[in-house]
Amino acid sequence: SAVISQKPSRDICQRGTSLTIQCQVDSQVTMMFWYRQQPGQSLTLIATANQGSEATYESGFVIDKFPISRPNLTFSTLTVSNMSPEDSSIYLCSVRTTTNEKLFFGSGTQLSVL
Amino acid sequence: AQSVTQLDSQVPVFEEAPVELRCNYSSSVSVYLFWYVQYPNQGLQLLLKYLSGSTLVKGINGFEAEFNKSQTSFHLRKPSVHISDTAEYFCAVSDRGSSYKLIFGSGTRLLVRP
Repeated sequence: SAVISQKPSRDICQRGTSLTIQCQVDSQVTMMFWYRQQPGQSLTLIATANQGSEATYESGFVIDKFPISRPNLTFSTLTVSNMSPEDSSIYLCSVRTTTNEKLFFGSGTQLSVL
Repeated sequence: AQSVTQLDSQVPVFEEAPVELRCNYSSSVSVYLFWYVQYPNQGLQLLLKYLSGSTLVKGINGFEAEFNKSQTSFHLRKPSVHISDTAEYFCAVSDRGSSYKLIFGSGTRLLVRP
């Protein structure tokens, strides 16, 4: 299994500012992902965080808005840039271990943009 | 593209009654299927998964689900629910070619009443 620590757990931010969310895993994992869960909607994959290289973004998400870093096998950050109220969501870090098909999820960051 | 439909946004049920949470997916190609549960203020936790083999899958906490390829469904069931089962339940699917990329349904809130 994998234990994921995600920080902050929640934040309230002003329009136009940026917030960086951190994801720390207690073991080396093959893949790390960032999901968004908008109010009343399902989870949507934002991107795959690749170690040492640029993240792979899904359709509708771009690096300028959601820059991602993954300096090693256990840590990643997601930045939500130039925020607007439409960015108010829960952002979740997810990891896949080397041994099985299971995805583990962090507890999420609840972001509110005023 | 794959999509997942959870028709019921909320399912109220009395304690010790049986429950079924419905999930349908869009494609008939080979898929992996998952049910995740999210308890209040916690991260997503895997309940069960179907990768191959028997179409009846048993998971944690007494839950089970049946894969029905002809109906493209993966309904979740429990014969007798407890108050502690109150949570949000998400069905998810991934194509076997990209097993890490999960497409989630919109979720069903199970509300167990005494």
